[in-house]
Amino acid sequence: RKEVEQDPGPFNVPEGATVAFNCTYSNSASQSFFWYRQDCRKEPKLLMSVYSSGNEDGRFTAQLNRASQYISLLIRDSKLSDSATYLCVVNPLLSNYQLIWGAGTKLIIKP
Amino acid sequence: DAGVTQSPTHLIKTRGQHVTLRCSPISGHKSVSWYQQVLGQGPQFIFQYYEKEERGRGNFPDRFSARQFPNYSSELNVNALLLGDSALYLCASSFGQDNSPLHFGNGTRLTVT
Repeated sequence: RKEVEQDPGPFNVPEGATVAFNCTYSNSASQSFFWYRQDCRKEPKLLMSVYSSGNEDGRFTAQLNRASQYISLLIRDSKLSDSATYLCVVNPLLSNYQLIWGAGTKLIIKP
Repeated sequence: DAGVTQSPTHLIKTRGQHVTLRCSPISGHKSVSWYQQVLGQGPQFIFQYYEKEERGRGNFPDRFSARQFPNYSSELNVNALLLGDSALYLCASSFGQDNSPLHFGNGTRLTVT
């Protein structure tokens, strides 16, 4: 089993729709979690950190489910500019700063 | 303020050669990490340097080495290049050692022929 797993997609979604995708992680001791966004042939950029209580930033909501070991990302009222690959990132241990990255979920927003 | 800068942006090398990639972190950031990203996959951690010391190493062969300079810039060296080393090499900086948050450069696209 991979340490961090994501559905590669692509998710083809009409503009204005709501889309959600999950990311599962294998290490139950993982301490911190992030969603990054990567546009084609560009560098990843931090979208949001994921807190235990969940967090929201505009149209984006991130949730953490420790019991089932997954994090989720919900995008409401999707825009064409949301088309990108969304990478799930996990920091497995406090004493080890090596981040583990998922392979990403590709999202395509269609007009 | 300048973000993370990497050079060169593109590089073509042949098998067996060596390559040096360079990275300048955001001003004030003391941590630099290197990642390899192959098409269709997420970034794979190679090294982290903090305060000029290696703080983490991923599962890469000894052909890969790096260092961090007193001004916190960094170099990644790869010897005896293989075709499989073709990838996007990303440098990321952060203020502290805990990688929160990471700021990436545009990357160096290495092609080994």
